[in-house]
Amino acid sequence: NAGVMQNPRHLVRRRGQEARLRCSPMKGHSHVYWYRQLPEEGLKFMVYLQKENIIDESGMPKERFSAEFPKEGPSILRIQQVVRGDSAAYFCASSPYSGTQETQYFGPGTRLLVL
Amino acid sequence: AQSVTQLGSHVSVSEGALVLLRCNYSSSVPPYLFWYVQYPNQGLQLLLKYTTGATLVKGINGFEAEFKKSETSFHLTKPSAHMSDAAEYFCAVSAPGGADGLTFGKGTHLIIQP
Repeated sequence: NAGVMQNPRHLVRRRGQEARLRCSPMKGHSHVYWYRQLPEEGLKFMVYLQKENIIDESGMPKERFSAEFPKEGPSILRIQQVVRGDSAAYFCASSPYSGTQETQYFGPGTRLLVL
Repeated sequence: AQSVTQLGSHVSVSEGALVLLRCNYSSSVPPYLFWYVQYPNQGLQLLLKYTTGATLVKGINGFEAEFKKSETSFHLTKPSAHMSDAAEYFCAVSAPGGADGLTFGKGTHLIIQP
């Protein structure tokens, strides 16, 4: 059973460009979480999605960031007009069930560098 | 709201020595507690978790942790360190009825001396 897959693993963007990060959850998992990890920091929750629904986006910046999890295909985290402060590692996690006691399985992350 | 404090951003132990990584949490309701390990340039892997029941939880790779409600702690231990244990360790908390995402500590970098 393949784990959570994320691509690209590394992404370089210039200021003002768009970054699009993809996450394919584990087979059978319909719950997806996105986290951001800044240098020397722990992971910060951004958004929780189920198929075609955003359930909790309390950790998402109000502007430039959006996420989706369509009926078909991977979950996408989109960052418009990137700035240097967006440079970070972005991790996706998935779980088979909802509930805060459920184990979240993490992907390898996408490391975004904004020049 | 929950929060996690991990004491010591770096911990160094000799190979074969006891590993102790500290985690204290804050939660207004009984928490769920997790320890994850992150190897360089990789994602996080679950070591163990506490939800309910027995307060001493055993995980993978010989690690275990004990939930102590009176001390609001969930320290991670391993009797004998191995070189392959060198990694970043994160403690995380969630709670029933709480936010959907995990709340992580800042992490502890474990260094193993030969």
